[in-house]
Amino acid sequence: QVQLQESGPGLVKPSQTLSLTCTVSGGSISSGTYYWNWIRQPAGKGLEWIGRIYTSGSTNYNPSLKSRVTVSVDTSKNQFSLKLSSVTAADTAVYYCARTGRITGDRPFDYWGQGTLVTVSS
Amino acid sequence: QSVLTQPPSVSGAPGQRVTISCTGSSSNIGAGYDVHWYQQLPGTAPRLLMYDNTNRPSGVPDRFSGSKFGTSASLAITGLQAEDEADYYCQSYDPSLSGYVFGTGTKVTVL
Repeated sequence: QVQLQESGPGLVKPSQTLSLTCTVSGGSISSGTYYWNWIRQPAGKGLEWIGRIYTSGSTNYNPSLKSRVTVSVDTSKNQFSLKLSSVTAADTAVYYCARTGRITGDRPFDYWGQGTLVTVSS
Repeated sequence: QSVLTQPPSVSGAPGQRVTISCTGSSSNIGAGYDVHWYQQLPGTAPRLLMYDNTNRPSGVPDRFSGSKFGTSASLAITGLQAEDEADYYCQSYDPSLSGYVFGTGTKVTVL
């Protein structure tokens, strides 16, 4: 059973960089058949896809966040990470990591982390 | 800003049938990309409820069914139960937006 777990600071100051890590257990992140994703959800609002990475390092980002987002992978630790720069209060949200298949572009998010709340405040 | 449009809320009495619509466009659902549905109970992560328009993952009751037609999709819940009270999101893919897109979300209330 694959499990994903987010970790990182719960409080980030405005204009700083938000950094989160997702640790994958129960399966290898290098299996080659999955994308590894970040998704966020502001309180009381809907889901927003942030970006994804393949184990080769290839990435795709939501155009609305692309200028501020970097997703990276560390296969030796079975982890992938998110960095979001120049944060504002609008970036306050629960951040989820999740897995999708890559046979075709439209695979579902089949495994999710439990989510971690990141608050942007001074 | 969500690309797929859902009704904000639907409600029904226990045992009734409710449906949730998900309206997209020619660049996502209408382009032939599959639609998936998620159930999110309060305070928890979304859970995959329906994939590839009409398929239920193991463990999802057959009270849930999905369909897709043109630029839209629909999730139906028959025999509504109190435990179905949750937020529901549709999701697809849109290459013009470089990736995945979600619906606006629908809150299902059991009266």
